[in-house]
Amino acid sequence: GNSVTQMEGPVTLSEEAFLTINCTYTATGYPSLFWYVQYPGEGLQLLLKATKADDKGSNKGFEATYRKETTSFHLEKGSVQVSDSAVYFCALLFGNTDKLIFGTGTRLQVFP
Amino acid sequence: DTAVSQTPKYLVTQMGNDKSIKCEQNLGHDTMYWYKQDSKKFLKIMFSYNNKELIINETVPNRFSPKSPDKAHLNLHINSLELGDSAVYFCASSPTGKNSPLHFGNGTRLTVT
Repeated sequence: GNSVTQMEGPVTLSEEAFLTINCTYTATGYPSLFWYVQYPGEGLQLLLKATKADDKGSNKGFEATYRKETTSFHLEKGSVQVSDSAVYFCALLFGNTDKLIFGTGTRLQVFP
Repeated sequence: DTAVSQTPKYLVTQMGNDKSIKCEQNLGHDTMYWYKQDSKKFLKIMFSYNNKELIINETVPNRFSPKSPDKAHLNLHINSLELGDSAVYFCASSPTGKNSPLHFGNGTRLTVT
């Protein structure tokens, strides 16, 4: 079946460090891929997306590239801030369904 | 002007009770969803409705019954609450069309004692 696997957290970094959160997927076909972020006490917000192979999604300094050959969509940021502390969810969606499938989430903690 | 709003934000109740969570979206979206997030932050879809019609119904106990009076509202009624129902429930909506991102409400934290 279709699924998303994320690295387990928490990921703990100092401010201005480089961030990578790994995400791989299993899918029959070519889904769209998303990263959502959940700040404490809030709902999920779309961070970025990519709809086809080699697309790069970017927003707020975060980037992720849709890699079909490795079925991956790793999230990166060159310099994290304390305000980036949140839970990050990788997700996939097939265009002919309304069913967004989430990974288990990765908690990021950034310390000053 | 909240886009997807859920009420209540917190709900504490005893086993066996019946409770409802309400959701409204003012984005003009055609599709609405309920997701359940457990204590480990795992998110799983429960239901989706498109223009008041049930589209997705995952393996959810029939104690859970969604109701969509119009396309801007999707309520979740839960009968005979159990301890395992304790979780955060998120409502979401999306426009019709491929690859449309979901817009989430802030969640309802349900605690069953």
